[in-house]
Amino acid sequence: ETGVTQTPRHLVMGMTNKKSLKCEQHLGHNAMYWYKQSAKKPLELMFVYNFKEQTENNSVPSRFSPECPNSSHLFLHLHTLQPEDSALYLCASSLDGDRQETQYFGPGTRLLVL
Amino acid sequence: QKEVEQDPGPLSVPEGAIVSLNCTYSNSAFQYFMWYRQYSRKGPELLMYTYSSGNKEDGRFTAQVDKSSKYISLFIRDSQPSDSATYLCAMSVDGQNFVFGPGTRLSVLP
Repeated sequence: ETGVTQTPRHLVMGMTNKKSLKCEQHLGHNAMYWYKQSAKKPLELMFVYNFKEQTENNSVPSRFSPECPNSSHLFLHLHTLQPEDSALYLCASSLDGDRQETQYFGPGTRLLVL
Repeated sequence: QKEVEQDPGPLSVPEGAIVSLNCTYSNSAFQYFMWYRQYSRKGPELLMYTYSSGNKEDGRFTAQVDKSSKYISLFIRDSQPSDSATYLCAMSVDGQNFVFGPGTRLSVLP
């Protein structure tokens, strides 16, 4: 399989649940990103990982916890979310976060928090 | 003022029309400009990328950057129903972290 994949594609969870989103890229890239896309709002950058090191955290609440075990995999651990966290969560990757590169997006995980 | 704004709002055009999608921005340090297309229930896909000012053409698509006016445009010629999607502009200072506009929903009617 090529490109950027995300699982699950859809997720419904209660506010007390703990779940994880997974992203995998098969492009040989070294930088990975989590974005949140809410209805009628601009895409929001959440986290940036470059060579497995977190280089940016855009004031994201601690109920979102990222993990990057290697350059090909990125996780977003979720716990005690709020209904307003319901959104499309997009993962992206780029070749080298230190230079300008285009970002390639996965299809996203559509999350509903009840 | 928002950092990146997109204009116009939801847009419907007949098949074959020329479409103009625009973004304005406030940060004069932006140097990298991109346009993404997002179909319903899919992630954004990169359409066009330009660095600094100027025009870039790819098939029916032309991207235009005017840094002096802080204004970028995407033109679609001979629009097709398959062009119906949300178009997002994105821009960056360093080429790594991009700020996205809210998107413009385009409908091309057969």
